[in-house]
Amino acid sequence: GAGVSQSPSNKVTEKGKDVELRCDPISGHTALYWYRQSLGQGLEFLIYFQGNSAPDKSGLPSDRFSAERTGGSVSTLTIQRTQQEDSAVYLCASSLVRTIDEQYFGPGTRLTVT
Amino acid sequence: KQEVTQIPAALSVPEGENLVLNCSFTDSAIYNLQWFRQDPGKGLTSLLLIQSSQREQTSGRLNASLDKSSGRSTLYIAASQPGDSATYLCAVKLSSGGSNYKLTFGKGTLLTVNP
Repeated sequence: GAGVSQSPSNKVTEKGKDVELRCDPISGHTALYWYRQSLGQGLEFLIYFQGNSAPDKSGLPSDRFSAERTGGSVSTLTIQRTQQEDSAVYLCASSLVRTIDEQYFGPGTRLTVT
Repeated sequence: KQEVTQIPAALSVPEGENLVLNCSFTDSAIYNLQWFRQDPGKGLTSLLLIQSSQREQTSGRLNASLDKSSGRSTLYIAASQPGDSATYLCAVKLSSGGSNYKLTFGKGTLLTVNP
């Protein structure tokens, strides 16, 4: 079946612009996760959704970052007033129901802020 | 705070060699440990998932072991091939403390298998 998909695959934006990154989880998966992979850094957790609710937003790096999920499916990660340090690969994952279920990752969105 | 360390950061071996990648974690209260593969510009592919009650998992030429009490895991790759060249990531999930939804990753080992 279809896996997790993300769009766009690559995004180049100018400093100060807003960007939206999209994640389509595996159909039927109620839990959704965002991670960020910066150059030289490991993958870091950003936020997770259970249905449309985000119980933990503590991983978001600043208030310029926000995320929402609608219809228990698609999620959007928005970065306002982008900075060069936001350049990274943003990965989305989903899992079936419980947070302990295995997470399946999408291909990621590579964001470059110039 | 859980910290995951992977050694070595990079490894280059000739084709056919057997090799071991290492992962260590600071908090032994884990639910499971997972090894991933990441190819350049691609997402993560899950290789092996070991539950905390298990000691090892095998898939083809790959074998992963887990020693929870010492906070260590190894990924053994037998008879390496050029197609095994990728970054290998280790990740753990805590079993309690309200954070059992997040994976904590190491920085990975970049493996190059030379023909």
